[in-house]
Amino acid sequence: KAGVTQTPRYLIKTRGQQVTLSCSPISGHRSVSWYQQTPGQGLQFLFEYFSETQRNKGNFPGRFSGRQFSNSRSEMNVSTLELGDSALYLCASSSAQGQTEAFFGQGTRLTVV
Amino acid sequence: GENVEQHPSTLSVQEGDSAVIKCTYSDSASNYFPWYKQELGKGPQLIIDIRSNVGEKKDQRIAVTLNKTAKHFSLHITETQPEDSAVYFCAASSTDSWGKFQFGAGTQVVVTP
Repeated sequence: KAGVTQTPRYLIKTRGQQVTLSCSPISGHRSVSWYQQTPGQGLQFLFEYFSETQRNKGNFPGRFSGRQFSNSRSEMNVSTLELGDSALYLCASSSAQGQTEAFFGQGTRLTVV
Repeated sequence: GENVEQHPSTLSVQEGDSAVIKCTYSDSASNYFPWYKQELGKGPQLIIDIRSNVGEKKDQRIAVTLNKTAKHFSLHITETQPEDSAVYFCAASSTDSWGKFQFGAGTQVVVTP
């Protein structure tokens, strides 16, 4: 069974640009969560989608958005990039809601210059 | 609000010795506690988890204990090996957290031969 796949693995963008990251969950998993990981702030929750609906959102500005498709694949978008958005963006998939195991992808390393 | 504290931030052990990482949580609604191992350049890997109706769980050299009254849980690694060197994260979530995990800051474990 394939794991969580995130693309691309690495991205370099310029301040002010926008970026879209993609996440394909484990087959059969319907919940996808996104996290931002930085050395200073650690792992911070961005948002979670289940069956194409955003059920939970973290404390990030509106520049961060996401969506989920009918095949459970998810994308997140960051508009008007800032230097502070440089981070490892991780997505995790799980089979259902609540307290079930969540499996992470390898992440997308975003560098904003 | 929700908070997970993790100690120590770094842990250096001799190969064959045991390693213990401790976490405390503040949200009394938390009922699921996973532990993740993250190696350089990779996403977090789920290594063991425990639910609030269980006090202890073991999987080969890894064990986790949970004290709900004190709101703390610990990871125990016995007979450490060099391949155990990584950053370990504890996390907590509740039934209605909709994919959101509150992560500890991480513990850098170094196992020296």
